[in-house]
Amino acid sequence: GENVEQHPSTLSVQEGDSAVIKCTYSDSASNYFPWYKQELGKRPQLIIDIRSNVGEKKDQRIAVTLNKTAKHFSLHITETQPEDSAVYFCAAKRYYGGATNKLIFGTGTLLAVQP
Amino acid sequence: GAVVSQHPSWVICKSGTSVKIECRSLDFQATTMFWYRQFPKQSLMLMATSNEGSKATYEQGVEKDKFLINHASLTLSTLTVTSAHPEDSSFYICSASQGATGELFFGEGSRLTVL
Repeated sequence: GENVEQHPSTLSVQEGDSAVIKCTYSDSASNYFPWYKQELGKRPQLIIDIRSNVGEKKDQRIAVTLNKTAKHFSLHITETQPEDSAVYFCAAKRYYGGATNKLIFGTGTLLAVQP
Repeated sequence: GAVVSQHPSWVICKSGTSVKIECRSLDFQATTMFWYRQFPKQSLMLMATSNEGSKATYEQGVEKDKFLINHASLTLSTLTVTSAHPEDSSFYICSASQGATGELFFGEGSRLTVL
């Protein structure tokens, strides 16, 4: 089955700096890669996702890149703000039009943005 | 986006008792729902895939007789933790996928504390 590894486990940056979180996956058939932000005690919130037919996607200060050959994808947050502090999870799954495919999460990255 | 609601949001029970957690899709029909468990400072671990009208599919290492899943309608899945013990204390989160995007929508989560 799918296995997703995520690095680093903790990341501390100064406000305004960029943050990069990296993930690798094992199942070459995975084609959907979402990123979630989770605040303490709350549900994960989707912040951006990418499908295997594109190499990069951007939404304001957040971007995700995907390298299918190497089976890794990364989250980039620019101009970080204190409210970006949270735990971030990458995930991967096969998605071929059905709703039954399970989503496997990475181990998580605790991002702390120092004001 | 689609709304998934979970109840209760937190529950405290005595060791040996059973606890039921409900997961509802409020504005869409979900033939498949997923149950995750999250221990403190850890990732979301998939426990089982809940299929409407059929048996759930459990992940390796998850005891199906201890974590009973029932998906009797297209909008409701329940997870019952039977004979709960302190090691079952965790954050349980359900999710469902709607439409053709593959995006998962999460419930608020249920924090179970077993004394």
